[in-house]
Amino acid sequence: DVKVTQSSRYLVKRTGEKVFLECVQDMDHENMFWYRQDPGLGLRLIYFSYDVKMKEKGDIPEGYSVSREKKERFSLILESASTNQTSMYLCASRGGPEGYTFGSGTRLTVV
Amino acid sequence: GDSVTQMEGPVTLSEEAFLTINCTYTATGYPSLFWYVQYPGEGLQLLLKATKADDKGSNKGFEATYRKETTSFHLEKGSVQVSDSAVYFCALRGGGQNFVFGPGTRLSVLP
Repeated sequence: DVKVTQSSRYLVKRTGEKVFLECVQDMDHENMFWYRQDPGLGLRLIYFSYDVKMKEKGDIPEGYSVSREKKERFSLILESASTNQTSMYLCASRGGPEGYTFGSGTRLTVV
Repeated sequence: GDSVTQMEGPVTLSEEAFLTINCTYTATGYPSLFWYVQYPGEGLQLLLKATKADDKGSNKGFEATYRKETTSFHLEKGSVQVSDSAVYFCALRGGGQNFVFGPGTRLSVLP
């Protein structure tokens, strides 16, 4: 089975800190995605990547950046964390035209 | 743009009750349709899918039929169990490569 691993389940950070969320997949998938999940809003796409060193903005990229230096790893970066970035962050990968595999999520709290 | 609407819930049912979670979509062309499930503390898992009109997806006792005439993909199960308690997301994949998710419906099944 494809595994998508997110490095932290829970994080608490202070306002203004730089935050790194790491995601690793083990099935050589080209496509990787970062979503945030908020009650009543469902999943919103932040950034995605179709290949190494390639990135595309999703629907809500403001305040975020990403890095894809290796095919298996896709990092989400909060340059200066703010309280409105408190959320559940989900990483996903996809190897073909159908179906995502999601990680377990990182619940980030910014205080 | 493409969008997915689903009943937000929460939905609370007794064990062995019949479940329907409504999902309707707006999309150009002929999207593929999906239901994902998120159990507490976990990421999303693919539950079932349908790729063309009148297709029925099924898995673990859940079913959904792709109805192009009503642009719907309602999720049903004849007899729910406590272990079905989760958040259910309807999603579509349209002409582009990315998915669009609904807001999710929380289901609680009481013993």
